[in-house]
Amino acid sequence: EVHLLESGGNLVQPGGSLRLSCAASGFSFTNIAMAWVRQAPSQGLELVSVIHGGRGPSFYAEYADFVKGRFTISRDNSKDTLYLQMNSLSAEDTAMYYCARGRGSGRYQDWSFDLWGRGTLVTVAS
Amino acid sequence: QSVLTQPPSVSGAPGQRVTISCTGSSSNIGAGYDVHWYQQVPGTVPKLLIYGNDNRPSGVPDRFSGSKSGTSASLAITGLQAEDEADYYCQSYDSSLSSFHIFGTGTMVTVL
Repeated sequence: EVHLLESGGNLVQPGGSLRLSCAASGFSFTNIAMAWVRQAPSQGLELVSVIHGGRGPSFYAEYADFVKGRFTISRDNSKDTLYLQMNSLSAEDTAMYYCARGRGSGRYQDWSFDLWGRGTLVTVAS
Repeated sequence: QSVLTQPPSVSGAPGQRVTISCTGSSSNIGAGYDVHWYQQVPGTVPKLLIYGNDNRPSGVPDRFSGSKSGTSASLAITGLQAEDEADYYCQSYDSSLSSFHIFGTGTMVTVL
């Protein structure tokens, strides 16, 4: 069965850091683009970051403006795991963070996200 | 701040047809990028409903259909059912100054 399982969410103080993980199973992870999507309480969806697939060692990644310079997405294909390193956190980063699998056979701008994890909750508060 | 605008809410009686609009611009939908739709039942994880403007993933009922024209896209639900009560989001790509994938503002569908 295909599955994504996030972990690492926690309560953290403003200015702090957190590392999220997403373990993939049931599909070939290496060549699949992956993403982090967040949803603040009672708010809509926001795409945070996308990382392309491939054999590495480097992977092309994109970020939403509101996390550029603070968050870093990465992947370890040997562990079928996606990561999100989050630094300089603020209250505005409080949200459920979902890991999602990219879907698409053409240009990456046309990708959708066809498999989602259950999410991990990040709360930034003092 | 999303550049894909959806109505905050739509409603309909069981069996009726409802449509949800997703209005963009020349830097996203109008630029030819695909539009996708997601359904999020309250308390659950988003689910891909329509991909590539008008394609349904396996298992999605044919009551759901998508279309795109110019700088807008639409999701139609025919034969509305109680289980369709959820939030719906469109998604595309924007190639303006900060090029990235974007979600719409979201629409809550209420079954009367």
